[in-house]
Amino acid sequence: DADVTQTPRNRITKTGKRIMLECSQTKGHDRMYWYRQDPGLGLRLIYYSFDVKDINKGEISDGYSVSRQAQAKFSLSLESAIPNQTALYFCATSAGVGGAEQYFGPGTRLTVT
Amino acid sequence: AQTVTQSQPEMSVQEAETVTLSCTYDTSENNYYLFWYKQPPSRQMILVIRQEAYKQQNATENRFSVNFQKAAKSFSLKISDSQLGDTAMYFCAFMKVGSGTYKYIFGTGTRLKVLA
Repeated sequence: DADVTQTPRNRITKTGKRIMLECSQTKGHDRMYWYRQDPGLGLRLIYYSFDVKDINKGEISDGYSVSRQAQAKFSLSLESAIPNQTALYFCATSAGVGGAEQYFGPGTRLTVT
Repeated sequence: AQTVTQSQPEMSVQEAETVTLSCTYDTSENNYYLFWYKQPPSRQMILVIRQEAYKQQNATENRFSVNFQKAAKSFSLKISDSQLGDTAMYFCAFMKVGSGTYKYIFGTGTRLKVLA
């Protein structure tokens, strides 16, 4: 089984709808991250969490919210989806040490029409 | 603020040949890590290689090696004996150490195609 899982893998939704992307990990890591990937822009950090009680905004958090339900679960919500949120979304985890590798989920392809 | 630049949006190489992907970064920090990640068509992000800034020796992982030039803030990836399975998007990433945040900053990626 994969160490980091994301659901759904693909989703098409309409403008204005609320949508939640879920991430679970079995690595036992405290640190979890949500990224957005757009062509030509690389990966950009949306939110990150260093433990269940710690949530931090990344560089592009506007229009998104997150919830850390447990050490192993970190979900990303779009309260009212808009077309420019169409992107590939990745969840990642890492151990809490410098230089630690980030382990990525398989990504969620989100299309907002 | 740190930035990471990958100036080659796309590259191609013949199978069995060697190719070098470029990455430059801008930082005032002295202690940091640099990474290369691979994203094949499956979308999965996979760590290729990691370099600690305080180490002068260039990191090597099998056919993958880096040329780390700290003064020039350059971190290129060399792939030797290229294989069809190396076809992927490659991302360079920077991580500052010391603040406790351990956040990655990614470049925009280089799409590499290995030709048969």
